[in-house]
Amino acid sequence: GQQLNQSPQSMFIQEGEDVSMNCTSSSIFNTWLWYKQDPGEGPVLLIALYKAGELTSNGRLTAQFGITRKDSFLNISASIPSDVGIYFCAGFYNNNDMRFGAGTRLTVKP
Amino acid sequence: DGGITQSPKYLFRKEGQNVTLSCEQNLNHDAMYWYRQDPGQGLRLIYYSQIVNDFQKGDIAEGYSVSREKKESFPLTVTSAQKNPTAFYLCASSINRLDAYNEQFFGPGTRLTVL
Repeated sequence: GQQLNQSPQSMFIQEGEDVSMNCTSSSIFNTWLWYKQDPGEGPVLLIALYKAGELTSNGRLTAQFGITRKDSFLNISASIPSDVGIYFCAGFYNNNDMRFGAGTRLTVKP
Repeated sequence: DGGITQSPKYLFRKEGQNVTLSCEQNLNHDAMYWYRQDPGQGLRLIYYSQIVNDFQKGDIAEGYSVSREKKESFPLTVTSAQKNPTAFYLCASSINRLDAYNEQFFGPGTRLTVL
């Protein structure tokens, strides 16, 4: 059904490294969103993607809406300690039904 | 300052007691949502409301109840029927446009611990 599979589940990287995570589904999604959740806080919207093939940047973050509309990728370049948190993908398969991935927990070692 | 507020940040209750979590938004959003997050887990939808005086069950509504008497408020009651209520609860809101996708914006969350 409309499940989102997010990977990897967790990542441990060195400060300065680039990071890549992705979200896939067996169903077509019409919009993809990426959120970041700091420890003990609510998720904050980072990037929204509305068209297949769209590539959007927000500072060091870049996200892409897959051509098949069944996947999306988030890249973080030159990671810094404040990038630590949980990154969630989310997708709409119609206007009001949004599904979340299980999250990627990122740890950045100074 | 527009936003979503949840109070309190931390809440402790004894087993068997009902408890109500507050969620208020001044974004003039029509739709509001409640999610539950367990350690290391994603977000699971409890209830949502697309308009005042109407709400729908999400994926894990059992043991919870909500009301939507005002546009800006969507309180969640965790009842004694909820078998495992200790969790982090997140409230969200969105515009409810029919012709576009309605991104959700989240409050800071309430951590409920039942002793």
